Amino acid sequence: GQSLEQPSEVTAVEGAIVQINCTYQTSGFYGLSWYQQHDGGAPTFLSYNALDGLEETGRFSSFLSRSDSYGYLLLQELQMKDSASYFCAALHSGYALNFGKGTSLLVTP
Amino acid sequence: NAGVTQTPKFQVLKTGQSMTLQCAQDMNHEYMSWYRQDPGMGLRLIHYSVGAGITDQGEVPNGYNVSRSTTEDFPLRLLSAAPSQTSVYFCASSYRIENTEAFFGQGTRLTVV
Repeated sequence: GQSLEQPSEVTAVEGAIVQINCTYQTSGFYGLSWYQQHDGGAPTFLSYNALDGLEETGRFSSFLSRSDSYGYLLLQELQMKDSASYFCAALHSGYALNFGKGTSLLVTP
Repeated sequence: NAGVTQTPKFQVLKTGQSMTLQCAQDMNHEYMSWYRQDPGMGLRLIHYSVGAGITDQGEVPNGYNVSRSTTEDFPLRLLSAAPSQTSVYFCASSYRIENTEAFFGQGTRLTVV
């Protein structure tokens, strides 16, 4: 089967850096994606890692270690608008994209 | 360019009724999928399609049917609605499955009473 584990909640201060971890167990693993979802909204794509290493997109970075079945999303210079849920999602050889249960990030002043 | 359009946005059904949730995309995307989202459960894959005429089951397919007769449309049918199917349903599409930037519709909030 496919499973992804991530923390349910994280709290951080405006301007700080926060890391959201994701571990996965997925047969035929292709890559790991991250999505952001604000309350009442639709998920939106943030990043995708197919290879080991760090991918940087502005204030957001994502990391993957295939040997450890582990990835993380790093958010820098946190802003209040970053308060949202963040999901990791694993793509596997069955061509299905399976999501974790999500991490609720609260950014405080 | 409308992206991914889901209709309706809200729906209330009685137990045992059937209905179809509509999903259309105008981006010529090969890959389309349906998810349901319940509190604390994340997004769970119901069915997906890698192209017209091809569909497959996800994690939670029971009680749902899909078909993909055109590239643009991917309707989700509830055969006999149950209260356990109360959820928010999202349709998503991507250009290719290897391109995992999935674009989501705005969701359908379904309540089964």
